Amino acid sequence: AQSVTQLDSQVPVFEEAPVELRCNYSSSVSVYLFWYVQYPNQGLQLLLKYLSGSTLVKGINGFEAEFNKSQTSFHLRKPSVHISDTAEYFCAVSENSGNTPLVFGKGTRLSVIA
Amino acid sequence: ETGVTQSPTHLIKTRGQQVTLRCSSQSGHNTVSWYQQALGQGPQFIFQYYREEENGRGNFPPRFSGLQFPNYSSELNVNALELDDSALYLCASSLDGTGGNTIYFGEGSWLTVV
Repeated sequence: AQSVTQLDSQVPVFEEAPVELRCNYSSSVSVYLFWYVQYPNQGLQLLLKYLSGSTLVKGINGFEAEFNKSQTSFHLRKPSVHISDTAEYFCAVSENSGNTPLVFGKGTRLSVIA
Repeated sequence: ETGVTQSPTHLIKTRGQQVTLRCSSQSGHNTVSWYQQALGQGPQFIFQYYREEENGRGNFPPRFSGLQFPNYSSELNVNALELDDSALYLCASSLDGTGGNTIYFGEGSWLTVV
């Protein structure tokens, strides 16, 4: 079974500052990794995913994440945040074989301050 | 806009009642899954349907049941509602359900049990 730990429940950051949202996972098998964003009163939108290959993954809205197998981490970064990035961010993992569901972390609330 | 639509968006039920939530998948997607997101938590996998057959289930009791129809739309039914069933219920669709395929989420149905 897999599990995901998002180390920060809330991250306040000033506009145009860089941000990193941390995610660690646990799994006995190889995994796929995902970051989703949830804006207020909306569903989840995929930001980016790691399946294989390059460990640096670029996503939408200027976000990127780096897969570190030895650290079992998949931290999300953005060099300069905007007010519109204020949202809940979820890291998720699934087994990289067959038809397996997503296992989500508890989320990190990113608040961008003007 | 993910192409996954859910109804109703909000509803209030009394403990012990039954509820049916509906989901229309993105066009061409034959796999649908349901997640429960309690307040302040990440989504938790309830079950998944592939071509009208349940092919995966999370740690939810049998009073949570579902259907997938030939047009790949889906229903989530919950019997004997409990207060702890109050949550956002998310429907998600994907092509084939193969690990790594992007999963698209609807905006959810907010269920309040009083």
